[in-house]
Amino acid sequence: QKEVEQDPGPLSVPEGAIVSLNCTYSNSAFQYFMWYRQYSRKGPELLMYTYSSGNKEDGRFTAQVDKSSKYISLFIRDSQPSDSATYLCAMANTGGFKTIFGAGTRLFVKA
Amino acid sequence: DSGVTQTPKHLITATGQRVTLRCSPRSGDLSVYWYQQSLDQGLQFLIQYYNGEERAKGNILERFSAQQFPDLHSELNLSSLELGDSALYFCASSVGQGDTEAFFGQGTRLTVV
Repeated sequence: QKEVEQDPGPLSVPEGAIVSLNCTYSNSAFQYFMWYRQYSRKGPELLMYTYSSGNKEDGRFTAQVDKSSKYISLFIRDSQPSDSATYLCAMANTGGFKTIFGAGTRLFVKA
Repeated sequence: DSGVTQTPKHLITATGQRVTLRCSPRSGDLSVYWYQQSLDQGLQFLIQYYNGEERAKGNILERFSAQQFPDLHSELNLSSLELGDSALYFCASSVGQGDTEAFFGQGTRLTVV
């Protein structure tokens, strides 16, 4: 079993939809939870960063962490075609070392 | 633009050869991380350097080595290359020793033929 599981998709939604992206993990030592966006042929770009449990909001993006269920989510409101990319969840233990990445979910937002 | 510069962008080489990938971190960042991204393995952490010293090691093969120089740029050396080493190699940098807020370069696409 992988430490971080993420459905690779693809996920296709119409413009304006609410998108829900999720990851599960098995290592209870993870304390830092990140979401990266990666456009084709580009490097990953940090979107959201959360420490421990709870929610964090940044514009159209909301990250949720449920440590009791070992489950994290990223919600994108009012999705736009420019949101079409691969979204990678990532996690690290205390100190933030050796980040483990999920496989990434490919998202397509249709105009 | 993340501020992290990787060269070259593309590299094609033959099996058994050796290549060097170069990374210049963002100004002020002391940590450099190397990752390998392939279709079947996803993004895998290879190694981290902090201010010139090796800080953490991931699933890096013995044929691979890295170093960080006094000016903080880093090089990843890949030797005795195999077809399976074909992948995107990313460098990332951060201010501190943890990589939770790391900035990635555009990557070097290595093709081994």
